[in-house]
Amino acid sequence: NAGVTQTPKFQVLKTGQSMTLQCAQDMNHEYMSWYRQDPGMGLRLIHYSVGAGITDQGEVPNGYNVSRSTTEDFPLRLLSAAPSQTSVYFCASSFPNSPLHFGNGTRLTVT
Amino acid sequence: TQLLKQSPQFLSIQEGENLTVYCNSSSVFSSLQWYRQEPGEGPVLLVTVVTGGEVKKLKRLTFQFGDARKDSSLHITAAQPGDTGLYLCAGAHYTNAGKSTFGDGTTLTVKP
Repeated sequence: NAGVTQTPKFQVLKTGQSMTLQCAQDMNHEYMSWYRQDPGMGLRLIHYSVGAGITDQGEVPNGYNVSRSTTEDFPLRLLSAAPSQTSVYFCASSFPNSPLHFGNGTRLTVT
Repeated sequence: TQLLKQSPQFLSIQEGENLTVYCNSSSVFSSLQWYRQEPGEGPVLLVTVVTGGEVKKLKRLTFQFGDARKDSSLHITAAQPGDTGLYLCAGAHYTNAGKSTFGDGTTLTVKP
């Protein structure tokens, strides 16, 4: 019963470093998305995908890249980390026009 | 742009009290979801409402979708410490690839 799996759970980066947050789902969901959660600001959409090979920008895409080569995986890349990217990141998946299933998040600190 | 506004942002009550959380928008949504999130975990779906005026009950929780599909409320009867958590509403548009817009959340603390 894996659902949506995110790795790592915690990460500390120095400014300018790069990294990839991994997300995998085993529910054959077509839609996948990345959100960041900051205190008092709810969840804000970074990037989303409606199927393999298709991605689009959300509300706060700057500084992040994504790709969707398979239905199961949707990695989020930070090319040059900045302190403003300190946040908790959630990956979610769903069938079209259906509620979201979330992973347990990656807590990222950029110093 | 804050499309979904939740109120109150924080709520601290005693066990046994009733409470209502509101989720308001100027936009019409195809559907609206309520999620509950506990520390260190992702949000978990409580309910989806899709029809204007719809009322759904989940044990002590009652969810209502406004007639115009722009707002919603969550009412908890006789709150228990296990209800403590962050409650999030999210609206979706079927014409917008089902992308969800989230409110900024209501943090509920129920004291024993």
